[in-house]
Amino acid sequence: DQQVKQNSPSLSVQEGRISILNCDYTNSMFDYFLWYKKYPAEGPTFLISISSIKDKNEDGRFTVFLNKSAKHLSLHIVPSQPGDSAVYFCAASVSGSNYKLTFGKGTLLTVNP
Amino acid sequence: GAGVSQSPSNKVTEKGKDVELRCDPISGHTALYWYRQSLGQGLEFLIYFQGNSAPDKSGLPSDRFSAERTGGSVSTLTIQRTQQEDSAVYLCASSLGRRGEKLFFGSGTQLSVL
Repeated sequence: DQQVKQNSPSLSVQEGRISILNCDYTNSMFDYFLWYKKYPAEGPTFLISISSIKDKNEDGRFTVFLNKSAKHLSLHIVPSQPGDSAVYFCAASVSGSNYKLTFGKGTLLTVNP
Repeated sequence: GAGVSQSPSNKVTEKGKDVELRCDPISGHTALYWYRQSLGQGLEFLIYFQGNSAPDKSGLPSDRFSAERTGGSVSTLTIQRTQQEDSAVYLCASSLGRRGEKLFFGSGTQLSVL
């Protein structure tokens, strides 16, 4: 049973446009959410996070939106750049067990010049 | 070191053999984690260390899997009698051990069991 779902295996976007990556979760106990980015042959690197007490968190070109009632979060990248091409993983955790992240399967983002 | 270091980067072994995977965390990081990523899957939690203790081993798939950490630093993940389904990328991460902080991942060990 997948508790964190990224239903789009891939996404292709034109440079300069907005990239929107989506993530759904089923466990209502999750209260902390993160996005990680992964390049081939490298480990995932932290991108941005959001606590369940917020509905938006912004860091430069990256914004994460959380809709708790829909159990849905999204990552917006504006403007998209070719260097953003990577696999993006959504992850979630429960208070008291922040070390145990539950990851989605990832979405491969390709930004075309 | 500057980042989390894992060795070997690639390991090919025969079914039934034992393997050891090593992780050197970032200096000063008290928390260490092992995850694995099977083909087409997300990262799967295996085990968490705080110092040398493992408060949570719930993600280890079977008793063929074990891990230890010594001196609050280096960790070894051992898989005994490897099976083909053990083939995956094994990722180690470390952090300062504070609540809600981000994990720093190594590049992983690609394990292939033939």
